Amino acid sequence: GENVEQHPSTLSVQEGDSAVIKCTYSDSASNYFPWYKQELGKGPQLIIDIRSNVGEKKDQRIAVTLNKTAKHFSLHITETQPEDSAVYFCAAETGANNLFFGTGTRLTVIP
Amino acid sequence: SAVISQKPSRDICQRGTSLTIQCQVDSQVTMMFWYRQQPGQSLTLIATANQGSEATYESGFVIDKFPISRPNLTFSTLTVSNMSPEDSSIYLCSASVRPNNEQFFGPGTRLTVL
Repeated sequence: GENVEQHPSTLSVQEGDSAVIKCTYSDSASNYFPWYKQELGKGPQLIIDIRSNVGEKKDQRIAVTLNKTAKHFSLHITETQPEDSAVYFCAAETGANNLFFGTGTRLTVIP
Repeated sequence: SAVISQKPSRDICQRGTSLTIQCQVDSQVTMMFWYRQQPGQSLTLIATANQGSEATYESGFVIDKFPISRPNLTFSTLTVSNMSPEDSSIYLCSASVRPNNEQFFGPGTRLTVL
């Protein structure tokens, strides 16, 4: 089955700096890669996703890049704000909407 | 986007009892799923809830322990049966929503078993 690895497990950045979270996956059949933000006591919130026919996607301060050859994808958050502090999960979907999640990154933005 | 509601939001239960969690989606749904998340951990898929038929369970999860129903497209229930303290966790419902089959999550049910 699919195996998704995520790094780093924790990340602290100064407000205004950029944050980058990286994931790798094992199954070359995976074709959909969403990112979720989970705040304390809440369910994961879909913040951006990318499909295998696209190399990069951007939505305001958030961007995701995908390298299918290397089987890795990354989340980039620019101009970080304290409200970006949360746990971020990457995921990979192989088919039938089955998502395999990374282990999560706890992002702390220091004011 | 989609709004997914879960009931109850939290519960404290005694060992040996069962709890049924309800999940309702407000959008056109293709698939529904149930996940478990231990505090501070990632999400583990329990099963895919199939409308009108038996759920499809992942390795390590069985129907007798986690019976699932999905009587219609937008509603599903998960029962945690014969609970033990090891079942203490957050249980999350998710749904793939048309037109792009993006998967959205409910707020979760925090279960504590004493």
